Amino acid sequence: EVQLVESGGGSVQPGGSLRLSCAASGFTFSSYAMTWVRQAPGKGLEWVSVITGSGGSTDYVDSVKGRFTISRDNSKNTLYLQMNSLRAEDTAIYYCAKSLLSARYGFDYWGQGTLVTVSS
Amino acid sequence: DIQMTQSPSSLSASVGDRVTITCRASQSISSYVNWYQQKPGKAPNLLIYAASSLQSGVPSRFSGSGSGTDFTLTISNLQPEDFATYYCQQSHTAHTFGQGTKLHIK
Repeated sequence: EVQLVESGGGSVQPGGSLRLSCAASGFTFSSYAMTWVRQAPGKGLEWVSVITGSGGSTDYVDSVKGRFTISRDNSKNTLYLQMNSLRAEDTAIYYCAKSLLSARYGFDYWGQGTLVTVSS
Repeated sequence: DIQMTQSPSSLSASVGDRVTITCRASQSISSYVNWYQQKPGKAPNLLIYAASSLQSGVPSRFSGSGSGTDFTLTISNLQPEDFATYYCQQSHTAHTFGQGTKLHIK
């Protein structure tokens, strides 16, 4: 059974940092692209970042470029999102998700989400 | 950046109805559109990928169509469990979600 479990969320002041983790199981982790998607309270979904199975290629939404870094440790079956210089508008539930075949074909398994609150 | 304009933002329908949700891309994206359903407090659920392919386990009353810039999600014979929020997503260049369509019970 595929499982994705996020952790690392919490409350942080503007300008602070957090590192989110997503522990994966039930599939060959290194074979799939992984993504982070966030959802601000009461708002829609916003794609944040994606990484290929090997970790060799990444992409980001413009609003987080230079502040967030996606990475993965295929030996630990874990996806990460390092978030620096956090802003109030980064407040959201952050979901990790697994690509279906490649990232071009959507994301078929999602974690339960972890809440990040940026506030003074 | 590719923008996805989804409409309507809200839709009321009855059990047994057929409804259509549309997404328009700001530029041609071939068939790289996926559709998700999200229920309150839950993660999204992939329904359709590559514009028209039904994800495994998803009921056949869900269907998708389109290519280029215009895409539709159709739900036939609405069931009570279908009342939720629906999102399109383009995956041609990076990824972008539409604004969402909340499907209400009439």
